[in-house]
Amino acid sequence: KAGVTQTPRYLIKTRGQQVTLSCSPISGHRSVSWYQQTPGQGLQFLFEYFSETQRNKGNFPGRFSGRQFSNSRSEMNVSTLELGDSALYLCASRGTRLYGYTFGSGTRLTVV
Amino acid sequence: GIQVEQSPPDLILQEGANSTLRCNFSDSVNNLQWFHQNPWGQLINLFYIPSGTKQNGRLSATTVATERYSLLYISSSQTTDSGVYFCAVVETSGSRLTFGEGTQLTVNP
Repeated sequence: KAGVTQTPRYLIKTRGQQVTLSCSPISGHRSVSWYQQTPGQGLQFLFEYFSETQRNKGNFPGRFSGRQFSNSRSEMNVSTLELGDSALYLCASRGTRLYGYTFGSGTRLTVV
Repeated sequence: GIQVEQSPPDLILQEGANSTLRCNFSDSVNNLQWFHQNPWGQLINLFYIPSGTKQNGRLSATTVATERYSLLYISSSQTTDSGVYFCAVVETSGSRLTFGEGTQLTVNP
């Protein structure tokens, strides 16, 4: 069974641009969550989607948004990029509450 | 929100040594996982263990939910065990993972 797939693996963007990251969950998993990891703030929750609905949102500005499609694939978008958005963005999927989360390999975003 | 504390923050071992990593959490949880972050950044799930004890090879974990802590044991450590170990929990009323700060483990040959 394929794992959680994130694309692209690496990105370099210029301040002010926008970026879209993609996450394909494990087949059959309907819950997809996004996390940001930075050296200063650690791993922080961005948002969670379940059956195309945002179920939970972390404490991030409105420049961070996401969506989930009917096939459970999810995208997150960051608009008007700032230098501080440079981070590793991790996506996780889960089948049911009885099981844990499985993470993808991440997208490393560098804003210059 | 729930607080997660991991100790120690750093641990240096010689190959072959045993170690215990600890995770304390401040509220009731319905999910607790231990992860190992590899050098490329991926979080590898080691254990899903909201309560009880599990073993997988040289690794084992115990969660005492009533006392709000979990322990990860690594026996006969190898250099490939090096990396950051994270404990993450989901509080009973929620669905998001809250991570600890991690334990940076270095195993020297």
